[in-house]
Amino acid sequence: AQSVAQPEDQVNVAEGNPLTVKCTYSVSGNPYLFWYVQYPNRGLQFLLKYITGDNLVKGSYGFEAEFNKSQTSFHLKKPSALVSDSALYFCAVRDGRTGGYNKLIFGAGTRLAVHP
Amino acid sequence: GAVVSQHPSRVICKSGTSVKIECRSLDFQATTMFWYRQFPKQSLMLMATSNEGSKATYEQGVEKDKFLINHASLTLSTLTVTSAHPEDSSFYICSATNLAGGSSGANVLTFGAGSRLTVL
Repeated sequence: AQSVAQPEDQVNVAEGNPLTVKCTYSVSGNPYLFWYVQYPNRGLQFLLKYITGDNLVKGSYGFEAEFNKSQTSFHLKKPSALVSDSALYFCAVRDGRTGGYNKLIFGAGTRLAVHP
Repeated sequence: GAVVSQHPSRVICKSGTSVKIECRSLDFQATTMFWYRQFPKQSLMLMATSNEGSKATYEQGVEKDKFLINHASLTLSTLTVTSAHPEDSSFYICSATNLAGGSSGANVLTFGAGSRLTVL
């Protein structure tokens, strides 16, 4: 069965400092991994995805994530945090086995708070 | 880019009434739409998957007679909460994608802005 773990409920970081939001996953086949961001009372916005290829994926708003197969992780990172990055971040995984469309499983979410 | 419009964004209704939420893909054909429910400070819970022209597939524990889903066209899916009760109060989010051409597990889902339902 697929699962996603985001071990931190909240991450606090000072503006200008680097940030990391952690995500680990479990799937039977090759993982398709996604990061989404949610602002208050809004739907989810796509940030980036890993399907295949380079382990370091660059996405929107200066975010990037590194796929680590041995550690089954897909941590979200940004070199310099902005106050406007404060939001709820979701990691999601889909089993990449062929033969049909598998549903996307979301982690519990991590609230990022960037302080001035 | 792909845009999904969800309406209404907020709705307040009395207990026992029914509420309809619309999800529209504005600039692409959505072969598949997903309906999620999100409780405060919690993740998204997939309620059902709807494919255009066929019956929705509900997740375990979701009452199909309570949450009616219709996906009559490639750009519109509706969720009707029937005989709503206060415990149905929640944030409902739809998402859409186009799976034409076979398995597209790499597809990015496009989400609507969500609908906050409050049942008094």
